[in-house]
Amino acid sequence: QKEVEQDPGPLSVPEGAIVSLNCTYSNSAFQYFMWYRQYSRKGPELLMYTYSSGNKEDGRFTAQVDKSSKYISLFIRDSQPSDSATYLCAPQFYGNNRLAFGKGNQVVVIP
Amino acid sequence: DAGVTQSPTHLIKTRGQQVTLRCSPKSGHDTVSWYQQALGQGPQFIFQYYEEEERQRGNFPDRFSGHQFPNYSSELNVNALLLGDSALYLCASSLWADPTNEKLFFGSGTQLSVL
Repeated sequence: QKEVEQDPGPLSVPEGAIVSLNCTYSNSAFQYFMWYRQYSRKGPELLMYTYSSGNKEDGRFTAQVDKSSKYISLFIRDSQPSDSATYLCAPQFYGNNRLAFGKGNQVVVIP
Repeated sequence: DAGVTQSPTHLIKTRGQQVTLRCSPKSGHDTVSWYQQALGQGPQFIFQYYEEEERQRGNFPDRFSGHQFPNYSSELNVNALLLGDSALYLCASSLWADPTNEKLFFGSGTQLSVL
């Protein structure tokens, strides 16, 4: 069983739509749940992260974690063409710099 | 402030050859990690260096080795290259004392093609 499962299927949405992305993970010891954004030919950059279960909002972005079901979600409201990128979930252990990435979701926002 | 810098940006090698990739961490950072990202996949952790020692290692063969220098820069070496080693190699720098990776930054990577 893979540590992190993320359906990589490309997602195309019209500008202004809500984008919903999700991951599942297998290791219940993960405590921090990161979302990275990766533009073409660039390294990933940290978008936001949450600690344990719960929600976190940052502008148009909301991250949710349900540790009971080992399910991670990212929502993007009022999507913009500049949001077109690959989004990677990456849970991690506390105090351990190793990130376990999912395959990533490629998102295309059409003007 | 320059972020994480990697060199070269692109590299073409043939099977069986050896390659060295280089990384300079963000100013103030002391820990360097290397990741391999195959096309259409997420980055996979190779290893991590702190205080010039390998601290953690992912599921990669011994053909992959590394080094960290006193100025915190790092090298990734891959021997006996295989076609499957073709990937984007990402360097990430961070602070050993940061338990959340909030201040972990990636470079833009080295694209390695093995023919």
